Amino acid sequence: EIVMTQSPATLPVSPGERVTLSCRASQSISSDLAWYQQKPGQAPRLLMYGASTRGTAIPVRFSGSGSGTEFTLTIASLQSEDFAVYYCQQYNNWPLTFGGGTKVEIK
Amino acid sequence: QVHLVQSGAEVKKPGSSVKVSCKASGGTFSSYGLNWVRQAPGQGLEWVGRIIPILGVPNYAQKFQGRVTITADKSTSTAYMEVTSLKSEDTAVYYCASDDNSGPYGLVPLDSWGQGTLVTVSS
Repeated sequence: EIVMTQSPATLPVSPGERVTLSCRASQSISSDLAWYQQKPGQAPRLLMYGASTRGTAIPVRFSGSGSGTEFTLTIASLQSEDFAVYYCQQYNNWPLTFGGGTKVEIK
Repeated sequence: QVHLVQSGAEVKKPGSSVKVSCKASGGTFSSYGLNWVRQAPGQGLEWVGRIIPILGVPNYAQKFQGRVTITADKSTSTAYMEVTSLKSEDTAVYYCASDDNSGPYGLVPLDSWGQGTLVTVSS
């Protein structure tokens, strides 16, 4: 199966800062990469798919890039509601696999 | 967009079984994919399996083959996931999540999620 690795595991950030999260696949997955945001006690929410296409009603401060094995999620200016855990997930091959997550927390 | 509502929390003994439901509204139930994803306490997300109701044939992560059964009832737009021979390690929140089944081999992102069902396995 394809192993997804996210870094860092935890990222202390101040509101207003620019944030960059990384995700690496163990083999090429083209652009078959999604990002999800999960807040405490809530289900994940689809943020990004196709590596760089925002999901429904996702603010423009979120952007994604990458292809092959290296991917990035960028939050241009972190808002208070963005403190959460972010997961990447590949859908290039079965089984679907997720990265371990990056927790964006208040510095 | 698809709206998914799951059944309530369960407490089970080791060795027993649990069946979780996921009722869908919106969209065309038979044609999209319904996935199950689990999350152990404080841990990440793990894909369990998927079914397309119109086809009725599920596929599973190898880890869950033989112990998990996913089914769908088109008449009630409800999907089910049954886990047998429960172990303490199965304690987790189980989510159902839909996809639009538009990609090759059904490989697409999960665009709507249920609220989750906590299954606790404890003696």
